[in-house]
Amino acid sequence: TQLLEQSPQFLSIQEGENLTVYCNSSSVFSSLQWYRQEPGEGPVLLVTVVTGGEVKKLKRLTFQFGDARKDSSLHITAAQPGDTGLYLCAGDGETSGSRLTFGEGTQLTVNP
Amino acid sequence: EAGVTQFPSHSVIEKGQTVTLRCDPISGHDNLYWYRRVMGKEIKFLLHFVKESKQDESGMPNNRFLAERTGGTYSTLKVQPAELEDSGVYFCASSPRLSAPQHFGDGTRLSIL
Repeated sequence: TQLLEQSPQFLSIQEGENLTVYCNSSSVFSSLQWYRQEPGEGPVLLVTVVTGGEVKKLKRLTFQFGDARKDSSLHITAAQPGDTGLYLCAGDGETSGSRLTFGEGTQLTVNP
Repeated sequence: EAGVTQFPSHSVIEKGQTVTLRCDPISGHDNLYWYRRVMGKEIKFLLHFVKESKQDESGMPNNRFLAERTGGTYSTLKVQPAELEDSGVYFCASSPRLSAPQHFGDGTRLSIL
C-alpha cells in the first residue's frame, strides 16, 4: 500500500511570511499533483510534477519533485490571506495505475 | 466547459437505507474515478472506470457499494444498506486519458444516522 505523509497538518502564519509544505513517501510515483481545496468544494489542481528534480513555479508558489520521485514540497513566498485553504498532495503510483494516493492535507491559515 | 458535477451535494439517511450518488464527468472524459474522504482521514480511491468498464475497483470497501457507468457517460454509486461508517464526502473525478490530471467535482456529503 502506497502512503503519502504530508506535513505539517496545520499551519497558521502571518501575512508576508514564507512557508513550506512537505509530502514524503517510501514509494516512487510516476507523477505528483498538488491540489487546493476550499470548504464545500472539490480539490482544484494547482500543478503536476513528473520528472525527478523538477521545479515548477506558479506566481508565489514553488513546487519541487524529489530526485527519486518519492517526495515533493510546496513553498509559498510572502503568503497572503487569499492563500488560506487546504493543500493536498496526491501521487500517481508507478504500479497503481492512474488512481491517486492522497496525503492528509495541510490546512493553511494566513492571518492579515 | 462544464466541470464535473455531482448530485446530491448533501444526503442524510438512516442506517439501513439505500442512497445513490451521481456523477457527471466532463464531456469527453473516458476516465471516471470515485474517491471518498471519511472524517479525519485522507481522500481514498474507490474505483476507476474507463468508459463503461471497471478498470480498477480495488478500493471498494465491501459489497454494499455498487458503482455503474452505463453507456460510459454518467456514473452512479449506490450504497445498500448504508452503515454508520459510510459517512463522509464522496468525490468524483474525471480525466481525458490515463495519467492525465484529474478534475474533481465538489463532492457529495453523506451522513448516516
